[in-house]
Amino acid sequence: RKEVEQDPGPFNVPEGATVAFNCTYSNSASQSFFWYRQDCRKEPKLLMSVYSSGNEDGRFTAQLNRASQYISLLIRDSKLSDSATYLCVVNDRRGATNKLIFGTGTLLAVQP
Amino acid sequence: NAGVTQTPKFQVLKTGQSMTLQCAQDMNHEYMSWYRQDPGMGLRLIHYSVGAGITDQGEVPNGYNVSRSTTEDFPLRLLSAAPSQTSVYFCASSQRDRGSYSEQFFGPGTRLTVL
Repeated sequence: RKEVEQDPGPFNVPEGATVAFNCTYSNSASQSFFWYRQDCRKEPKLLMSVYSSGNEDGRFTAQLNRASQYISLLIRDSKLSDSATYLCVVNDRRGATNKLIFGTGTLLAVQP
Repeated sequence: NAGVTQTPKFQVLKTGQSMTLQCAQDMNHEYMSWYRQDPGMGLRLIHYSVGAGITDQGEVPNGYNVSRSTTEDFPLRLLSAAPSQTSVYFCASSQRDRGSYSEQFFGPGTRLTVL
């Protein structure tokens, strides 16, 4: 099983739609979780951190489900500019190891 | 404050050549890492460092060496380039926060082609 798994998509949605992505992780001891956005041929940039209580930033909502070991990202009222790849990132801690693991990303294409 | 810088932006190598990809950050971050990104594979961790003098292997370390003599610099060396190392390479840094890692800042990437 991969350490961090995402549906690669693509998710093709019309403008104004609500879309949700999930990401599962294998290490129950993971403590930090993030969603990054990557535009084509650019570097990834932090979209938002994911907190245990869930958090919202404008049209974006992130949630963490520790029991089922997944995090989610909800985008409301999709804009054309939301088209990008969304990467799930988990801080993997096992013994002396402490590193960040990226999912393969989910491609979102918002259509006019 | 330049953030994370990488050089070169583009590079073409012949099989068997060696080269060093440079990465520097000016944010005094403890954690630095190198990733490669290939179509359909996402970002894969090559090597990482949790501080000066400390490095460790990631998911795909073969064919690469790293060193961390200072907090600021984390060069990635390709020992003998192979076509399979054709990829986009990203360097990233982040600060530790109570034992976990906070936001990672990425450099603009190096696009490497090995012929």
